[in-house]
Order: sequence, then structure tokens, then C-alpha cells
Amino acid sequence: GAVVSQHPSWVICKSGTSVKIECRSLDFQATTMFWYRQFPKQSLMLMATSNEGSKATYEQGVEKDKFLINHASLTLSTLTVTSAHPEDSSFYICSADPGQGVSTGELFFGEGSRLTVL
Amino acid sequence: AQSVTQLDSQVPVFEEAPVELRCNYSSSVSVYLFWYVQYPNQGLQLLLKYLSGSTLVKGINGFEAEFNKSQTSFHLRKPSVHISDTAEYFCAVSEPQAAGNKLTFGGGTRVLVKP
Repeated sequence: GAVVSQHPSWVICKSGTSVKIECRSLDFQATTMFWYRQFPKQSLMLMATSNEGSKATYEQGVEKDKFLINHASLTLSTLTVTSAHPEDSSFYICSADPGQGVSTGELFFGEGSRLTVL
Repeated sequence: AQSVTQLDSQVPVFEEAPVELRCNYSSSVSVYLFWYVQYPNQGLQLLLKYLSGSTLVKGINGFEAEFNKSQTSFHLRKPSVHISDTAEYFCAVSEPQAAGNKLTFGGGTRVLVKP
């Protein structure tokens, strides 16, 4: 149980286009999902907290107009990288919280999505 | 604000030898502590977690960690590593009082197991 799926696992796009990454909790509901960005050989940096039915909360320094987050249902959150540029190339990982808003101490992570912008 | 420091960025180790990955944290409140493993081009898998209770925590794949409140540490150990343990390991903390499970990660330790 507690499976989180990301799609696509990898994507290559041209500079200036937009790319959407989906994060789905397959066997549980998640009122909260988190989006991270990971550069090569570096740690995960939290980009934003996605709350079902409300606006996402972005970390300092993350452009909300650049990285659009939508959490339309209890099992799906999407990250759209708008007008992508080569510097947006990275590994994006989502995680889902099954705790229904209560801290249970565990998150479940997707497999990650590698974005390459040419 | 909380922070996590993993003191070793890389740890080479021979197969069947023991390994210890160090993790120190700072926080003004009590925390939950986690170790995750990441294989190449994959997401994170939970190895173990400390929420409360016994300070020695046993996880999957033969790993264990000990919470030391006075030293604010949560070091990860395995008595005998396998080639398949080659991966990136992340220590993370969250605050139980905060809504949701917002994790703060350390910089990661890359373990390379040599035959």
C-alpha cells in the first residue's frame, strides 16, 4: 500500500514550452502533497506545499507563476513548469501525506520526473 | 527553523564491512527523524523513522539508527553492507506540532560499496 506515482518519469521539451507533471496517490487520499526539486548530486529542496482545494504554499524564492501547482482532488496534484528554460532542467519529486492533516511522521514519495529543457 | 547536517558527503566502504552515516539536526522544538534511501533516478524510500519511545530504531534492509537527544544526532548504521546498498542516503526532520509533514532534508551521503 501507500504508493505514489509520478508521470511522466522523464520529459524533454523545447525552451519556452510548458510541461505538466502529475503526482497521484494510488491507494490512499492525500490532503497534502509536497513538491521538491533536486539538482544533480544535491539534496531535495522543498518548492511548495500543495493542499487539496486551496492554493499552494510556496517556499521563499520559488516563483509561483513559474511553477503552477494544482491539487484538484485528494489523489492528484500537478506541477506545471511554464515557459520552461534550460535552467529549469532538474529532477522533480513529489510526496504525499496520508495523515489527513495530522502529522503522522511519514510521507510517501513518487519516483521522480526528470525534466530536460533544450 | 530546523536544519539537518549530514557530515559526510561520500562514504566508500567495502562489501560486508560496517557503515555509519552521521546526521545532526537543530531545532527549537521536538522533532520526528527519518532516514530515506534514494537509488539512481528514483524517488525516496523510507528506511526508518523515530517518532518517540525507544531511541534505537530498526529499519528495513538491516539498517538501524539511534536517536541521541543530548547530541541532537540520529546516526544510521549497518553492520555489514552489500553491493546493493550503494545509493544516496538522506536524513530528514519534521516537527510533529506543525500541520502536515513538512520535511527538511540534509545534504545527503553517497554510499559506494566496493567489492
